Amino acid sequence: AQSVAQPEDQVNVAEGNPLTVKCTYSVSGNPYLFWYVQYPNRGLQFLLKYITGDNLVKGSYGFEAEFNKSQTSFHLKKPSALVSDSALYFCAVRDSRGSGGSYIPTFGRGTSLIVHP
Amino acid sequence: DGGITQSPKYLFRKEGQNVTLSCEQNLNHDAMYWYRQDPGQGLRLIYYSQIVNDFQKGDIAEGYSVSREKKESFPLTVTSAQKNPTAFYLCASSIMVAQGTDTQYFGPGTRLTVL
Repeated sequence: AQSVAQPEDQVNVAEGNPLTVKCTYSVSGNPYLFWYVQYPNRGLQFLLKYITGDNLVKGSYGFEAEFNKSQTSFHLKKPSALVSDSALYFCAVRDSRGSGGSYIPTFGRGTSLIVHP
Repeated sequence: DGGITQSPKYLFRKEGQNVTLSCEQNLNHDAMYWYRQDPGQGLRLIYYSQIVNDFQKGDIAEGYSVSREKKESFPLTVTSAQKNPTAFYLCASSIMVAQGTDTQYFGPGTRLTVL
C-alpha cells in the first residue's frame, strides 16, 4: 500500500525568505514522487517529479525538491519566496510495484502556502 | 492547464437531477481520471480509464457514472444517488495508467453546487 502525508495545513513565510513545504511517504517498492500547485479555482499544475537518480530535483518557477530515502521525505523548497507563490501545494506518490497493473497516484491533503509581502 | 478542457466551469443542480460534466483532451493520452476535491481532503479518485471502452472504479465511485467511447473524451455523470455532490471536480490524463513515472495533466475543473 502507498500513502503520503503533508503534515502542515498551512505554511506562512515572508517574501524573500526561503520556503519549505513538507511531504513524507510510504511505499512497499520504490517511490515515484510528484509535486503540483493549485491556484484558486484552477486545476493542478505539475511542478516537478522524482523517479530515480539525483536526490535534488529542479522544477518550474524556481522550485526544487529533495528526495531523502532514509527519512522517506520529499520536501519542496524555494530559496526566495514570492507573493505570487501563494497557492495550494500537493504532494503525490506512486509505488514502483503498482497494484494490479495500474499505478494510480495517492495525493496528500495539500498545504496552503501564504507568502506575506 | 495543458490540453485538457472541462465544461462547464460552474454548474448548479437541483436535488434529484442527474448532471454530466464534460472532459476532453487533445494530448493523445490513453489514461483519464476523475477526482473530487473538497476543502481539507485533498483529491479523491472517482473513476479512471486506461483505454477506450474500459473504466475502473476509484475510491468514491458510488453515485457517479462514466463512459469512455472516444479516446479524447471521458464524461462524468453525477447521479441523484450521490448524497453530497457539491464539490470541485477535476479531470486529468496521463500517457497510460500502467506507467508509474507518468505525469498527470489536469483540466481547469468544474465547480458543482447543489441547490
